[in-house]
Amino acid sequence: DIQMTQSPSSLSASVGDRVIITCRASQSISTYLNWYQQKPGKAPKLLIYAASSLQRGVPSRFSGSASGTDFTLTISSLQPEDFATYFCQQSDITPFTFGPGTKVDIK
Amino acid sequence: EVQLVESGGGLVQPGGSLRLSCAASGFTVSSNYMSWVRQAPGKGLEWVSVIYPGGTTYSADSAKGRFTISRDNSKNTLYLQMNSLRDEDTAVYYCARDSSASSGYYHDYWGQGTLVTVSS
Repeated sequence: DIQMTQSPSSLSASVGDRVIITCRASQSISTYLNWYQQKPGKAPKLLIYAASSLQRGVPSRFSGSASGTDFTLTISSLQPEDFATYFCQQSDITPFTFGPGTKVDIK
Repeated sequence: EVQLVESGGGLVQPGGSLRLSCAASGFTVSSNYMSWVRQAPGKGLEWVSVIYPGGTTYSADSAKGRFTISRDNSKNTLYLQMNSLRDEDTAVYYCARDSSASSGYYHDYWGQGTLVTVSS
């Protein structure tokens, strides 16, 4: 199975901060990498697919990039509604494995 | 509007069975890739199983031989039959509609989830 790692596991940030979350795949997955946001008690929400494509309706402050097996999710200016947990997922080969998550909370 | 509504969760004893349902509206289940994803309490997300439009299915090792994904086209509903349940299957189970684009495959719509608790 493809292993996904994320860093950091958690971070504290302030409104307006630029936040970068990284995800690494254990082998090549091309651009089959997705990012989801999850708030407590809610279903995950798709933010980014195919490594850098913004899902319809998602604010443009979210962006994704790829370099080999390393992927990043960037929030350009953190907003109050962005405090949540973020998961990456590879969708190249089943099982479609998720990263362990990055919790973003208020500093 | 795309909507997914799961049902069928509850408390079951170890070794027991449960069938989860996911009623879809706003699109046709049989024409789409559909997945089940679960989340144990306080833990991360775990992909469980997928069914393709043609009927091909794939499952995580944790589900193989015990869980079966299927659909009823007449009811536009996705199912997950879970047998031989274990304590570690305790989780919120989400159904998701999957979509694909150039170099991408993703879960774009999710249900609200249904809680399965396996305990004696």
